[in-house]
Amino acid sequence: DTAVSQTPKYLVTQMGNDKSIKCEQNLGHDTMYWYKQDSKKFLKIMFSYNNKELIINETVPNRFSPKSPDKAHLNLHINSLELGDSAVYFCASSQSGSYGYTFGSGTRLTVV
Amino acid sequence: KQEVTQIPAALSVPEGENLVLNCSFTDSAIYNLQWFRQDPGKGLTSLLLIQSSQREQTSGRLNASLDKSSGRSTLYIAASQPGDSATYLCAVSDASKIIFGSGTRLSIRP
Repeated sequence: DTAVSQTPKYLVTQMGNDKSIKCEQNLGHDTMYWYKQDSKKFLKIMFSYNNKELIINETVPNRFSPKSPDKAHLNLHINSLELGDSAVYFCASSQSGSYGYTFGSGTRLTVV
Repeated sequence: KQEVTQIPAALSVPEGENLVLNCSFTDSAIYNLQWFRQDPGKGLTSLLLIQSSQREQTSGRLNASLDKSSGRSTLYIAASQPGDSATYLCAVSDASKIIFGSGTRLSIRP
């Protein structure tokens, strides 16, 4: 009955590889987000999708590409991984932001 | 541009004390304010949500207040326990996203 679920929980990969993180929500929310938490623990928005449409695309390298096949899913694909991409990535959802945000448990990405 | 600030960055108190965490934001045009808790290496747990029209919310030993006009919120924790040790994050939302402060790392000494 997990509300927002992300997979995988941990991801260790080499520089230059391409990887994907999946996110699914069963709350019926219309908006989904990806946030990045850096080494200083600061959370910053990367993308948001509302009903499968891209709403926010913050200053994120083109190597990061979100994909929303339907309202309940928002996946994050990262090409040519770099050391600086190491972070914890959180998926979240909301109903147009009105009633608060629900976050997944995070994906800890380590690039070696 | 909305900015959220949390003071102090870290706080250590003995068990049983009441404490207050502070949050300030620069743009009062918010939809709501949300307090989260994050344990080391874990995800975000929502503690309290205050809609922009509300002044406070309570859950158990936690009470959060919101003063939109002054751009401030406080999280009051009564009778603190070692299990309250975590990082507490304040976040405000507008029409499109939620913006976080940098958090207060709270440590409760037994």
